[in-house]
Amino acid sequence: DVKVTQSSRYLVKRTGEKVFLECVQDMDHENMFWYRQDPGLGLRLIYFSYDVKMKEKGDIPEGYSVSREKKERFSLILESASTNQTSMYLCASRPVGGSGANVLTFGAGSRLTVL
Amino acid sequence: AQSVTQPDIHITVSEGASLELRCNYSYGATPYLFWYVQSPGQGLQLLLKYFSGDTLVQGIKGFEAEFKRSQSSFNLRKPSVHWSDAAEYFCAVGGVGRRALTFGSGTRLQVQP
Repeated sequence: DVKVTQSSRYLVKRTGEKVFLECVQDMDHENMFWYRQDPGLGLRLIYFSYDVKMKEKGDIPEGYSVSREKKERFSLILESASTNQTSMYLCASRPVGGSGANVLTFGAGSRLTVL
Repeated sequence: AQSVTQPDIHITVSEGASLELRCNYSYGATPYLFWYVQSPGQGLQLLLKYFSGDTLVQGIKGFEAEFKRSQSSFNLRKPSVHWSDAAEYFCAVGGVGRRALTFGSGTRLQVQP
């Protein structure tokens, strides 16, 4: 089975801190995504990467940046955390071809609280 | 722009009763459609998907969904709900290539004994 691992399940940070959320997938998927999940709003796309060093802004990129230096790893960076970034963050990956094409596989999520 | 509407925020059904969760989408071409389920504290798990062909698709855990192009709908159904089906359900629409999935706001399912 494809595995998407988010290194931190729960984080508590202070306003203004720099925050790194790490995501690693083990099935050589080309595409990787970061979504933010808030009650009543569903999942909203922050950034996605369709290949190494390639990225595109999603619907809510403000206050976030990303890094994809290796195919298996996609990092979400909050340069200066704010309280309105308290949320659940979900990483996902998907292959471009093959039988699993276009199907997202999600990690378990990282719940971030900014005080 | 693509969008998904799940009109029911919260649904409660009795165990053994049938279930239908509604999903309407907006998409400029032939859509790829998905239903995902999220148990408390977990990530999302794929229930089923529609890419093309038969408009009635079967998924895991006894779920099925029907694509109706004329109504822009992709409703999820289950004939008999089990207590373990209590979770949040998300409908999503997307296409090929570099286009990411767009998710609905979710429907929380509660199952009464």
